[in-house]
Amino acid sequence: QVRLQESGPGLVKPSETLSLTCTVSGDSISPSYWSWIRQPPGKRLEWIAYVHSSGSTSYNPSLKSRATISVDTSKNQFSLKLNSVTAADTAVYYCARGSTGRYYWGQGSLVIVSS
Amino acid sequence: EIVLTQSPGTLSLSPGERATLSCRASQSVSTSFFDWYQQKPGQAPRLLIYGTSTRAAGIPDRFSGSGSGTDFTLTISRLEPEDSAVYYCQQYGSSPYTFGPGTKVEIK
Repeated sequence: QVRLQESGPGLVKPSETLSLTCTVSGDSISPSYWSWIRQPPGKRLEWIAYVHSSGSTSYNPSLKSRATISVDTSKNQFSLKLNSVTAADTAVYYCARGSTGRYYWGQGSLVIVSS
Repeated sequence: EIVLTQSPGTLSLSPGERATLSCRASQSVSTSFFDWYQQKPGQAPRLLIYGTSTRAAGIPDRFSGSGSGTDFTLTISRLEPEDSAVYYCQQYGSSPYTFGPGTKVEIK
């Protein structure tokens, strides 16, 4: 059974870059779509971006200027970078299989933005 | 952006009762692109229903979905204690793909 595991720093300073990696096990990352979704404390889930194993991408317009999603098929991983973070980017970040819906989710990784 | 509103915010019912959860969209959504998820504390969301009414693999038949246009419903026909969770609706008919705020189901 496929398993998705997020990894990355749990604490990021304001104005710096948040970097997360999702490792896919139990299945090949190709060919498929993969997404990042986040949930700030007390707020609703927010789709950030998706990437196809071929490298094609799509972003939420509200985050497009700051987010970069990428895939490394040799490592069966995909990643998210979010630059110029503020406290508003504090959230549980989930990686998921799927592009726009019908998601299969990882367990999530809490990222706190604080000095 | 399509905004999803869920009601009620919290539903408190006894085992065996019927739960009806509503999700309203600010614009019409194709039934093909509407899902429901269940999230229990400390766990990842789990896909329950996709395409408005199709149960995901392994989901009991007491869960059912219906709706069209701007109004969608998730029904749990006979509540079990393990159904205590937050339920989210999601649309992906147009980008950005958005989620509702959730309905918390409590089992008395």
